[in-house]
Amino acid sequence: AQSVTQLDSQVPVFEEAPVELRCNYSSSVSVYLFWYVQYPNQGLQLLLKYLSGSTLVESINGFEAEFNKSQTSFHLRKPSVHISDTAEYFCAVRDNYGQNFVFGPGTRLSVLP
Amino acid sequence: DVKVTQSSRYLVKRTGEKVFLECVQDMDHENMFWYRQDPGLGLRLIYFSYDVKMKEKGDIPEGYSVSREKKERFSLILESASTNQTSMYLCASSIVQAGANVLTFGAGSRLTVL
Repeated sequence: AQSVTQLDSQVPVFEEAPVELRCNYSSSVSVYLFWYVQYPNQGLQLLLKYLSGSTLVESINGFEAEFNKSQTSFHLRKPSVHISDTAEYFCAVRDNYGQNFVFGPGTRLSVLP
Repeated sequence: DVKVTQSSRYLVKRTGEKVFLECVQDMDHENMFWYRQDPGLGLRLIYFSYDVKMKEKGDIPEGYSVSREKKERFSLILESASTNQTSMYLCASSIVQAGANVLTFGAGSRLTVL
């Protein structure tokens, strides 16, 4: 069975500082990996995804994540955060045979002025 | 853009009441899902459906049922609401494409059971 671990439940960081949100997964098969973001009082939105090819994937708002197969990780990074990045971030995995996604418990990012 | 609409953003119900949560998507997606979201637990899958009148249990189906009579509509039913079903409920849909299967979520329905 697949599982996703997000070790940090809360990450406070000052504006313009770099941030890394950690995600590790366990799976015995090849997987696709996703980061979703949830702004206050909203549903989840896809931030970025790794399906195949380059292990470094980027979003339109400056986030990037790198798939590391040997470490079974898909950490999310941003070199300089904004107040508007304050949200909860969920890592998710789906194996390439099924239709179901497994989500991590989420990391609440708080960007402080 | 795909839109997933959940008809009720906030509901307050009493223990024992029957509760219907409705979800409609407008892009002809085959798959639809119901999750519940609780602090520290992330999203847990209740039920999913990959076609009309088809349904599969997820990780926590106890106390819930679903209905999918039309492709665009997926309903979650709590036959007799209990206080431990107070939660945020998220509906999602996805299209079946090898490798490109991503979830699109609705805004959520926050249910409080008193």
